[in-house]
Amino acid sequence: GQNIDQPTEMTATEGAIVQINCTYQTSGFNGLFWYQQHAGEAPTFLSYNVLDGLEEKGRFSSFLSRSKGYSYLLLKELQMKDSASYLCAVLDSNYQLIWGAGTKLIIKP
Amino acid sequence: GAVVSQHPSRVICKSGTSVKIECRSLDFQATTMFWYRQFPKQSLMLMATSNEGSKATYEQGVEKDKFLINHASLTLSTLTVTSAHPEDSSFYICSARDWQDYEQYFGPGTRLTVT
Repeated sequence: GQNIDQPTEMTATEGAIVQINCTYQTSGFNGLFWYQQHAGEAPTFLSYNVLDGLEEKGRFSSFLSRSKGYSYLLLKELQMKDSASYLCAVLDSNYQLIWGAGTKLIIKP
Repeated sequence: GAVVSQHPSRVICKSGTSVKIECRSLDFQATTMFWYRQFPKQSLMLMATSNEGSKATYEQGVEKDKFLINHASLTLSTLTVTSAHPEDSSFYICSARDWQDYEQYFGPGTRLTVT
């Protein structure tokens, strides 16, 4: 079967750094997405990785290791507005998105 | 960037009635549209995938006669919840993808409350 694992909830302090991990086992791989979702709103795109390595975009970075079936999202200089759920999703061999359950990130002052 | 709109954003209806939700891609042609449902504090659940001009493909456990999906044009897909019941109350989100891109662009969602 296909499976995406990410922690259910994480807590971090404003101004700090947090790393949200995602591991996957899917039938094929055509890329991995990270989305941010605030409560009551639709997901918004953060990043897309299809090759191994680190992609940096401002305060957010995403890393992929295809051989390990592993990705992480790194958030730096945390702000209160970063409190949200972060969803990991893998594009499988049929180009369908397989979604993780999401990680709820709580930022404390 | 690609924009997807959904209408209505919120709807309250009585049990037994039908509700139609529209999803539009505003600045690109969406060859594929997806309909998701999300219950409180849970992740997205894919309901169905629709390709323009063909019948939607429903995920296991989703009743196609209850959730009617029409993708008649490259910019519009509709989801009709027929004979709605309180357990259908949820956040319904559509997303769209064009043929050149594998990213899904999400609409703002529709909160359905069935009383």
